[in-house]
Amino acid sequence: DGGITQSPKYLFRKEGQNVTLSCEQNLNHDAMYWYRQDPGQGLRLIYYSQIVNDFQKGDIAEGYSVSREKKESFPLTVTSAQKNPTAFYLCASSISVGATNEKLFFGSGTQLSVL
Amino acid sequence: AQSVSQHNHHVILSEAASLELGCNYSYGGTVNLFWYVQYPGQHLQLLLKYFSGDPLVKGIKGFEAEFIKSKFSFNLRKPSVQWSDTAEYFCAVKDSGAGSYQLTFGKGTKLSVIP
Repeated sequence: DGGITQSPKYLFRKEGQNVTLSCEQNLNHDAMYWYRQDPGQGLRLIYYSQIVNDFQKGDIAEGYSVSREKKESFPLTVTSAQKNPTAFYLCASSISVGATNEKLFFGSGTQLSVL
Repeated sequence: AQSVSQHNHHVILSEAASLELGCNYSYGGTVNLFWYVQYPGQHLQLLLKYFSGDPLVKGIKGFEAEFIKSKFSFNLRKPSVQWSDTAEYFCAVKDSGAGSYQLTFGKGTKLSVIP
């Protein structure tokens, strides 16, 4: 059953703590993305990766970090520098970045809340 | 930078009513256009897309959208909605020029269909 798996579904962060959100895909897609979804704000791009060992900042990368050591994995770390981390985080993938008609496949999301 | 406007935050309709959700984008170059839908408890998924050719595109579940270049618009329509269409709908735009990797989403429109 191909798709994108995000874990955990719910995550709580304490003040000053770094937390890591997992995203794994078995679609053999080159491109992966992290979006943040806030109520009434739509989706905003945090980071994206075109290929293994490469990633680029999106619109709201401050306070976040990513890695892409394996094609199927694109974890997102929410650092203590992110002052407003409470949001719903969506991971997505596509065959490639730059294809004009690419379709994104989304995971089920992680809800991050601050204690 | 590209921006996407969705005119209605929340739309409430009775079953069998006709639907039109507005979407306008800011950049006037060549674009690729998408509507994504998020049903309650489900992943965000592609509803339909336009990248070239006939400006009237048809998607899943009887939805269609018309690209009007002169108006920078890509409105979503359905002649007769069903209760199962209750969801959040996101318009997204991608500049299809070289080096354009970013998909810009609108803030979303919640559709509630009353039986």
